[in-house]
Amino acid sequence: EADIYQTPRYLVIGTGKKITLECSQTMGHDKMYWYQQDPGMELHLIHYSYGVNSTEKGDLSSESTVSRIRTEHFPLTLESARPSHTSQYLCASRWTGGTSEQFFGPGTRLTVL
Amino acid sequence: GQNIDQPTEMTATEGAIVQINCTYQTSGFNGLFWYQQHAGEAPTFLSYNVLDGLEEKGRFSSFLSRSKGYSYLLLKELQMKDSASYLCAVKDDYKLSFGAGTTVTVRA
Repeated sequence: EADIYQTPRYLVIGTGKKITLECSQTMGHDKMYWYQQDPGMELHLIHYSYGVNSTEKGDLSSESTVSRIRTEHFPLTLESARPSHTSQYLCASRWTGGTSEQFFGPGTRLTVL
Repeated sequence: GQNIDQPTEMTATEGAIVQINCTYQTSGFNGLFWYQQHAGEAPTFLSYNVLDGLEEKGRFSSFLSRSKGYSYLLLKELQMKDSASYLCAVKDDYKLSFGAGTTVTVRA
């Protein structure tokens, strides 16, 4: 099993609140990713990181921000949540090179009222 | 950029074989992955191809032709638990780009 964790698993919050979705992995992977996925829809990459102090925006524009201060930790923050942010957020990680299977965390299902 | 196409839905009978095709046009290629995703869950890794040919893992096989930008995932001896979405993903130097997924429904 993959050692990648996300908290909280479920979050219901009001509009305008600041939230941070946590993602941690204990595999020492250098690359980490955040995806957004609506029910029955495709995965959209919103942020990724090559390593510590590296962050990049993904293919889908997002109002969220990320940080990578430690290898194992890649939190995602929404400064002011809106109903349009309601979605599932999946964190993933992998090694550079080789077969480099990408492991996914269990996801955070966010509902903004 | 990346353009990855796969059928939206497929239906098959328990015990049968289903083949899910994936075509891609990408700016870089360092391998192709297949993932399985059950509703409401995270994707899980099924297979990886970087060279042309067939990779077999139990009931699941995956094929790649780099010159044709084509892959398929073959599911044999279908079971009810195989009902899920199957995602084709192409890796470039930095990240995976996912197709929209193929929802497979297995009927008794």
